Amino acid sequence: EAGVVQSPRYKIIEKKQPVAFWCNPISGHNTLYWYLQNLGQGPELLIRYENEEAVDDSQLPKDRFSAERLKGVDSTLKIQPAELGDSAVYLCASSSRAWGGELFFGEGSRLTVL
Amino acid sequence: QKEVEQDPGPLSVPEGAIVSLNCTYSNSAFQYFMWYRQYSRKGPELLMYTYSSGNKEDGRFTAQVDKSSKYISLFIRDSQPSDSATYLCAMETGNQFYFGTGTSLTVIP
Repeated sequence: EAGVVQSPRYKIIEKKQPVAFWCNPISGHNTLYWYLQNLGQGPELLIRYENEEAVDDSQLPKDRFSAERLKGVDSTLKIQPAELGDSAVYLCASSSRAWGGELFFGEGSRLTVL
Repeated sequence: QKEVEQDPGPLSVPEGAIVSLNCTYSNSAFQYFMWYRQYSRKGPELLMYTYSSGNKEDGRFTAQVDKSSKYISLFIRDSQPSDSATYLCAMETGNQFYFGTGTSLTVIP
């Protein structure tokens, strides 16, 4: 069974440019998460989806970040415009149960903003 | 105070040693407890997943949860160089996951 798939793995852009990350969760997993991970830190939640509904986006910087999960399967996270401080790893994760359950991560998308 | 506290290390041990990794937490609502292993430039990989207080063993790994003390541990027996990675503890309540900062472990051959 395929795990959580993310692309691109690496992205280098100049500040003020837009960037988008894509995630395909494990088949059948209704809950999808986007996390931000800085070097030497644990993952920090950006947004959580239950099917196609964003149920927790309180930590998403909505002035420049947006996300969507059309049809409740794959998801896209966008940053526009990117800032130097956005350089980090963006992790996608999915879970099979609405409450609790094992959380599985993708390999992450590493963003460098120059 | 952070929800989850984890000593960042780094921790360096000789091959074959027993490794103890620990996390403390403050939120008594946490119900599920997990340990993840993260290799450099990779995503976190789920190692252990427990619900109740007590011990859970899987091969060389043992996860221990003490809800009364709000303390969880991961023990690695007969550590191998391939165990060199960052270990993240994580806790869940209401479908919200909280992570420690990770402990960097190096097992020296």
